[in-house]
Amino acid sequence: DQQVKQNSPSLSVQEGRISILNCDYTNSMFDYFLWYKKYPAEGPTFLISISSIKDKNEDGRFTVFLNKSAKHLSLHIVPSQPGDSAVYFCAARGSGNTPLVFGKGTRLSVIA
Amino acid sequence: DSGVTQTPKHLITATGQRVTLRCSPRSGDLSVYWYQQSLDQGLQFLIQYYNGEERAKGNILERFSAQQFPDLHSELNLSSLELGDSALYFCASSVGGGRVDEQFFGPGTRLTVL
Repeated sequence: DQQVKQNSPSLSVQEGRISILNCDYTNSMFDYFLWYKKYPAEGPTFLISISSIKDKNEDGRFTVFLNKSAKHLSLHIVPSQPGDSAVYFCAARGSGNTPLVFGKGTRLSVIA
Repeated sequence: DSGVTQTPKHLITATGQRVTLRCSPRSGDLSVYWYQQSLDQGLQFLIQYYNGEERAKGNILERFSAQQFPDLHSELNLSSLELGDSALYFCASSVGGGRVDEQFFGPGTRLTVL
């Protein structure tokens, strides 16, 4: 039973446009959500996070939106750059220092 | 560079064998997590240690075991290996202690079981 779902395995976007990556979750006990980026042959790197008490968190070109009623979050990258091409993982956790539950990832390709 | 190191980078072995994967967390981090990433799968949580003690267990097979040593490095032992154990194994670390914080991942160990 997948508690964190990324339904789009891949996404292709033109350079300069907005990239929107989506994530759905089923466990209402999750209260902290993170996005990780992964390049080939490297481990995932933390990108941005959001607590369940917020509905938006912004860091430069990256913004994460959380819709708790829909159990949905999204990552917006604007403007998209070729260096953003990577696999993006959505992750969620309950309160405290509990393990992360990851989605299967979305491969983003930014075309110049 | 996340500050988390994993060795070896690649490992090729045969079915039935036993291997040990090693992880050194970032300086100051007390929590270590192990994840498995099989083909076309997300990262599956295996086990977490905090300051030498097992803190949480995920979908870790009985053939797998782990420990965290007094110097905080951790080892993941995989025994009676099967073809299906071929995967990327990631270690992550965090400050831990009940705070909500992000995890920093190592580069992973690619295990191939032939």
